[in-house]
Amino acid sequence: SQKIEQNSEALNIQEGKTATLTCNYTNYSPAYLQWYRQDPGRGPVFLLLIRENEKEKRKERLKVTFDTTLKQSLFHITASQPADSATYLCALRAVWGYSTLTFGKGTMLLVSP
Amino acid sequence: DTGVSQDPRHKITKRGQNVTFRCDPISEHNRLYWYRQTLGQGPEFLTYFQNEAQLEKSRLLSDRFSAERPKGSFSTLEIQRTEQGDSAMYLCASSLGDRRMNTGELFFGEGSRLTVL
Repeated sequence: SQKIEQNSEALNIQEGKTATLTCNYTNYSPAYLQWYRQDPGRGPVFLLLIRENEKEKRKERLKVTFDTTLKQSLFHITASQPADSATYLCALRAVWGYSTLTFGKGTMLLVSP
Repeated sequence: DTGVSQDPRHKITKRGQNVTFRCDPISEHNRLYWYRQTLGQGPEFLTYFQNEAQLEKSRLLSDRFSAERPKGSFSTLEIQRTEQGDSAMYLCASSLGDRRMNTGELFFGEGSRLTVL
């Protein structure tokens, strides 16, 4: 069966360090992968999209990599700030048909001052 | 553009009652999605519409759940004979897209939190 796995344990880092979150998937041939941020009690907010033929994407302090051989995406936040504390969700959309966006469980990031 | 809005934000009901949620998507978006999210889990897909057509529905979706998007604008999600297991955050999202291109990010509303007593 198709699975999207994100580390369920919260990631605790100090302000200024780089946070790296992992998204692994099985039994998918994704057209693209997206990352969202979700604050408690709020809806997810889109951050970045990376396509299957792209290795890396950047946006300000954010960087996403996509390795379709390893079936893995890494999400990096450089120079992290306490305001970056949130849950980060990985989501995949398969290539064919009308298949919709499927989300992982998310990983909580806690950045301490 | 006020984004995706959902109403009500919170709903407390007794088991067995029917509840209805409304979603107003971003006006130019032709796709509308409903997701459900419980604590510690990611959003779980329920159904989606392209304009007024309901194109996909989760196999996990009980017959007690029904969604409509009658004029291709706002949508309603109704849950009949609610059960305690229906307690969750119901998220609506919208996007631009056509049948051949599964592209584009989802714009989520703030959700409707349902508590079934």
